[in-house]
Amino acid sequence: EDKVVQSPLSLVVHEGDTVTLNCSYEVTNFRSLLWYKQEKKAPTFLFMLTSSGIEKKSGRLSSILDKKELFSILNITATQTGDSAVYLCAVDGNKLVFGAGTILRVKS
Amino acid sequence: NAGVTQTPKFRILKIGQSMTLQCTQDMNHNYMYWYRQDPGMGLKLIYYSVGAGITDKGEVPNGYNVSRSTTEDFPLRLELAAPSQTSVYFCASSKTSGGAGSQYFGPGTRLTVL
Repeated sequence: EDKVVQSPLSLVVHEGDTVTLNCSYEVTNFRSLLWYKQEKKAPTFLFMLTSSGIEKKSGRLSSILDKKELFSILNITATQTGDSAVYLCAVDGNKLVFGAGTILRVKS
Repeated sequence: NAGVTQTPKFRILKIGQSMTLQCTQDMNHNYMYWYRQDPGMGLKLIYYSVGAGITDKGEVPNGYNVSRSTTEDFPLRLELAAPSQTSVYFCASSKTSGGAGSQYFGPGTRLTVL
């Protein structure tokens, strides 16, 4: 059965800290891994990763995929209170499977 | 573009009642999806569609039905509501399958079954 596991489940940091969120997976017919940010309502797309070792970057957020070890990390540097959200990892195999998410709270 | 719209935003049902959750997208996307998200859990795929007239089951289809008569609309039907269906429902669409493009989500429908 396809599985996506995110860690930690929740995290509290102070503004300016750097955080690393983890996503490990076991899926058949892997095609891509996606990261989403979910605040109050619907998830918003952050990154799609298909190749190992190629970092995707958007401002203070970056992500990388390791297809050999079957995991991805999402890094957020110089965190701000606006980064507080649930971060979802999803893997597209035979179907799209989501992890439970990591709850990030950034304190001012 | 409005993107993906869902109605209603909130609904309370009694056990055994039925309802339809509406989803419309104006991006001419072929792929559409219905997810449910229970508190503290990730999204679970209920049904998806790869184009008008074609639908298929996802991970948790029991208790739900869908139809896709047009590219734009993908309604989700609950026939006999049960408390276990209390959840937030998200509709999403994408131009191609999830692997080749990102999914765009609607704002969600919060459903409570009492």
